Amino acid sequence: GQQLNQSPQSMFIQEGEDVSMNCTSSSIFNTWLWYKQDPGEGPVLLIALYKAGELTSNGRLTAQFGITRKDSFLNISASIPSDVGIYFCAGQLSGSARQLTFGSGTQLTVLP
Amino acid sequence: NAGVTQTPKFRILKIGQSMTLQCTQDMNHNYMYWYRQDPGMGLKLIYYSVGAGITDKGEVPNGYNVSRSTTEDFPLRLELAAPSQTSVYFCASMRDTEAFFGQGTRLTVV
Repeated sequence: GQQLNQSPQSMFIQEGEDVSMNCTSSSIFNTWLWYKQDPGEGPVLLIALYKAGELTSNGRLTAQFGITRKDSFLNISASIPSDVGIYFCAGQLSGSARQLTFGSGTQLTVLP
Repeated sequence: NAGVTQTPKFRILKIGQSMTLQCTQDMNHNYMYWYRQDPGMGLKLIYYSVGAGITDKGEVPNGYNVSRSTTEDFPLRLELAAPSQTSVYFCASMRDTEAFFGQGTRLTVV
C-alpha cells in the first residue's frame, strides 16, 4: 500500500520561530491534507490542497502541493504556545472511497 | 453541533473479551471510517463504509468487524480482544475531502 514519510518526527522550537515539516510519498495523490491533533482529541483539518503546485495559506499556516504530486510541506510562521500538538499529513486518491493515507505525524513543542 | 460522537472514551478489556465501540454522526455523511492510532504512528484504516449497508476492509481489518445499518451509526466490534489491539480508536465521517473525527476511544487489553 501507499506509504507517507513525514519529517521531522518531533520538533522543539522557541515561541516566535517559524516551523517547517514535510511529507513524501511513494506514489501520487490527488489531494494533500494537513491535520492537527491536540492531546485527547481527534485530528482537525487545517489545510486542503487540490492541485499540483498549489500554495495555500490559512492564517499563519502555509502549505504546498508538490509539483510531482508525491510531496507536500507545511509551514507555521511566528509560532505560539497553542500551536503545540501533532501535525499529520494525509494523501487522498480520487475514486478510493475517499480513503486517507496518513503520515506518522510531527510532534511540535513550543517553548516559551 | 454534536458532529461525530464516540463511546466509550476509555475501556480496559481482558484478553478474549469482546466489546463494541460505538460511533454516531449527525451530519448525514455517507462516508465513515474507523482508524487506530498507535504511539508514534499515523492513523491506520481498519474499516470503512460508503453508505448504509455497505462496508469494506481497510489496511488493518483483522480482529475487527463492522456494520452500517443506518447512515448515522458505524459500530466497530472486537470479538476476541488481544493485547495487539491496545490502541486509540478514531471514528470519522467525511464530507468531500474533509474528515470529521470523534474524540477517540482509548482501549487497553490486558
